Order: sequence, then structure tokens, then C-alpha cells
Amino acid sequence: DAGVTQSPTHLIKTRGQHVTLRCSPISGHKSVSWYQQVLGQGPQFIFQYYEKEERGRGNFPDRFSARQFPNYSSELNVNALLLGDSALYLCASSLASSGGGTDTQYFGPGTRLTVL
Amino acid sequence: GQNIDQPTEMTATEGAIVQINCTYQTSGFNGLFWYQQHAGEAPTFLSYNVLDGLEEKGRFSSFLSRSKGYSYLLLKELQMKDSASYLCALNDYKLSFGAGTTVTVRA
Repeated sequence: DAGVTQSPTHLIKTRGQHVTLRCSPISGHKSVSWYQQVLGQGPQFIFQYYEKEERGRGNFPDRFSARQFPNYSSELNVNALLLGDSALYLCASSLASSGGGTDTQYFGPGTRLTVL
Repeated sequence: GQNIDQPTEMTATEGAIVQINCTYQTSGFNGLFWYQQHAGEAPTFLSYNVLDGLEEKGRFSSFLSRSKGYSYLLLKELQMKDSASYLCALNDYKLSFGAGTTVTVRA
């Protein structure tokens, strides 16, 4: 079975541009979460979506937005890119949004975004 | 914040045992995860503790004490491939991660 997939693998943008990152969850998983990981730090929570609804948002500016589609895939959009947005963007999928029990989040390979 | 703290780096010899500690300052979470992350790759799931006590999975064990705000990951019979960053994360629908502990295994 395929794991979480993300595209593109790498991306180079310049300041002020916008970017769209894509994620396909594990088959049967209905929840997708997005994380930003800056070098040397742990991942930071950006969004969680479940059944196309936003279920949680981390401490990120409004330049960051996301959505989930009927097939449970998701997009993360970042507008007006800043140098500080350079990071590894990780998508994780899980069965449900409750976060309880053993609702493990499984991570995709990530998209490495470089902003010049 | 939840002030999740882990040591930055640890070094150990192949075949040895290493214990990675994780402390936190919150009581409101469902459980605590440990993930392994090799350089340039995604985190991969290692273990999940919901209740206090020890969870053993092969060479890896994880322990949780909610009353002490403390967890550890124990890696036994270290192998070179265990060189990686180890992340503890609190789970309350979203994951809140520590900065990670980089473990280097030397021959």
C-alpha cells in the first residue's frame, strides 16, 4: 500500500511569490495535517483538516491557507513568500481527527521549499 | 506553550544502550509519540504511550510518567542505522514536537 505522498519534492521560489504544495493521504485516512520544519527544529503544526473541514490551526499568519478535497487529498498554499518560509513542509495523515487512542499520524516525504 | 525539552545531541557506541529523555509542562494531552527522523527524510513512527508505564517494541522501548511530566525512549543493541534524530511529540489531535535529539552511533 502506498504511504503518504507529497509533491513537488523540491521547490525554489523568490520572495513575494506564492506556492501550492500537495498531499495525498494513505488510502482510508480521512484526516490530513500540515507541519513546517525548519532545519534543526521539530515540526511545527500549521493545519489539520478532516472531512474537508478545518479542525485546527497553528500559530501561522493568514498567508498560509489550506483545503481538503472530497478524495481527502489536500493543498497547502502560502502567499507573499518570505525568506523565513524556507523549510521542509510535511504532510501527515491519520484515520480520524480525534487524536485520541492510537490515532497515529504518518508522515509523507515532505516538500523542501527554498525562498530566495 | 508546552515546553517540550530534549537533549540536543547524544553519542553512543554500536551495540550499546542509549536513553533519550523528554520532559514537558502540560497535563492536557492524549498521549506521547516518539518518531525517528533520518537527515532529509520524513519522521517515521516508533512508539506511542497513552498510559503510564513501559511500552516495548523490539530494540526500542518507551516510557511515560504523566505525574512527572517525563518520557524516555530506550534504544538497545545500537546499530549504525540508528544514527538519526529522535523526536518526542505530545498528541492532542495535533502533534507538538520537541526540537529532537540527534543520536550518533560510532563503531
